[in-house]
Amino acid sequence: AQSVTQLDSHVSVSEGTPVLLRCNYSSSYSPSLFWYVQHPNKGLQLLLKYTSAATLVKGINGFEAEFKKSETSFHLTKPSAHMSDAAEYFCVVSDKKDTGFQKLVFGTGTRLLVSP
Amino acid sequence: NAGVTQTPKFRVLKTGQSMTLLCAQDMNHEYMYWYRQDPGMGLRLIHYSVGEGTTAKGEVPDGYNVSRLKKQNFLLGLESAAPSQTSVYFCASRKWEGLIQETQYFGPGTRLLVL
Repeated sequence: AQSVTQLDSHVSVSEGTPVLLRCNYSSSYSPSLFWYVQHPNKGLQLLLKYTSAATLVKGINGFEAEFKKSETSFHLTKPSAHMSDAAEYFCVVSDKKDTGFQKLVFGTGTRLLVSP
Repeated sequence: NAGVTQTPKFRVLKTGQSMTLLCAQDMNHEYMYWYRQDPGMGLRLIHYSVGEGTTAKGEVPDGYNVSRLKKQNFLLGLESAAPSQTSVYFCASRKWEGLIQETQYFGPGTRLLVL
């Protein structure tokens, strides 16, 4: 069964410094991977997704993630944090083997705190 | 184009009461999902639907029922609410593209407190 581990429950950065949110996955098959962001009292918004094309995936708001099969990782990065990036981030894996039904497995989330 | 909407936004129930959460999407998506979000646990799938008139159980279906009478609506029912069902409920939808993993679009959530 597929699973996702987000290695940090909280990450604190200063505005203008780089962001790194770590995610490791486990999947029996070639996975699809996603990062979603959730701002306070809001729904989830897709940041980016990996579906076996380029291993470096660029998303919205300057975020990107690199799929590393050998390390089973899909870490999320951003060169320079902005105050508006403060939110909860979820790493999600989907089993591409499924014939139609997309089962998403969510990590427990990483809360990003950005200080001035 | 409103995307995915959920009604109500917030509700307080007493133990044993019943209620229905409504999810509506205007993107003509085939698939719809209900999740619950609890602190430190990410989102867990309650029920899902692959099309009008079909529903299936997810990871945590006990205590919930669903119906998909119209393609654009997916209802989540609690017949007899329990404090353990205090949570934030999210609806999501996506279009069917075979084995391509299309994005799920999420609603803004419903906060439910069961006393």
